[in-house]
Amino acid sequence: DTAVSQTPKYLVTQMGNDKSIKCEQNLGHDTMYWYKQDSKKFLKIMFSYNNKELIINETVPNRFSPKSPDKAHLNLHINSLELGDSAVYFCASSQDIANTGELFFGEGSRLTVL
Amino acid sequence: GENVEQHPSTLSVQEGDSAVIKCTYSDSASNYFPWYKQELGKRPQLIIDIRSNVGEKKDQRIAVTLNKTAKHFSLHITETQPEDSAVYFCAARTDSWGKLQFGAGTQVVVTP
Repeated sequence: DTAVSQTPKYLVTQMGNDKSIKCEQNLGHDTMYWYKQDSKKFLKIMFSYNNKELIINETVPNRFSPKSPDKAHLNLHINSLELGDSAVYFCASSQDIANTGELFFGEGSRLTVL
Repeated sequence: GENVEQHPSTLSVQEGDSAVIKCTYSDSASNYFPWYKQELGKRPQLIIDIRSNVGEKKDQRIAVTLNKTAKHFSLHITETQPEDSAVYFCAARTDSWGKLQFGAGTQVVVTP
């Protein structure tokens, strides 16, 4: 029973297109995140939501728009895709935002922009 | 904001030897330091963590030490095995908003 699941796992698309990645967690956690892992393996936080509310919004182009319909889901929509958006995007969740540290990551969604 | 530096970027060890990865952080208010392991093509997974009120923590073959004065923490893997081959990330958390700042990662290769 997958704890944090995201779809699709692979996404190949052309520059200028719009695409979405979906994430769901069944752990009952309050907090969810999107991380970007580039080709050098660097993990960088993009957004975090706590109980559907945006908490962290790093310096991310506004072509990236997260949406949390409820605390178990956090989706990522990307407009006007660029070559530099190619990366693996990881969704993650944690029990709450204050004290519990462990992040549970999804399997990742590898986005390739041609 | 918090800045975490991690060294070395790659580490090759013989099976059975020890591996040590070191991280430094910039914000003295950081209070939580986890280590994640990411196998090739897989998700990062927590392997051990330490909080600022503890100097050392051990779990079987892995241990983490924290020096708050010097603002550095280290991961020690003893009796390395081929399945220890992976990228290891250190991280530090300062604020109460759950934001983890990751190091750049260390590629560990254990050769038989």
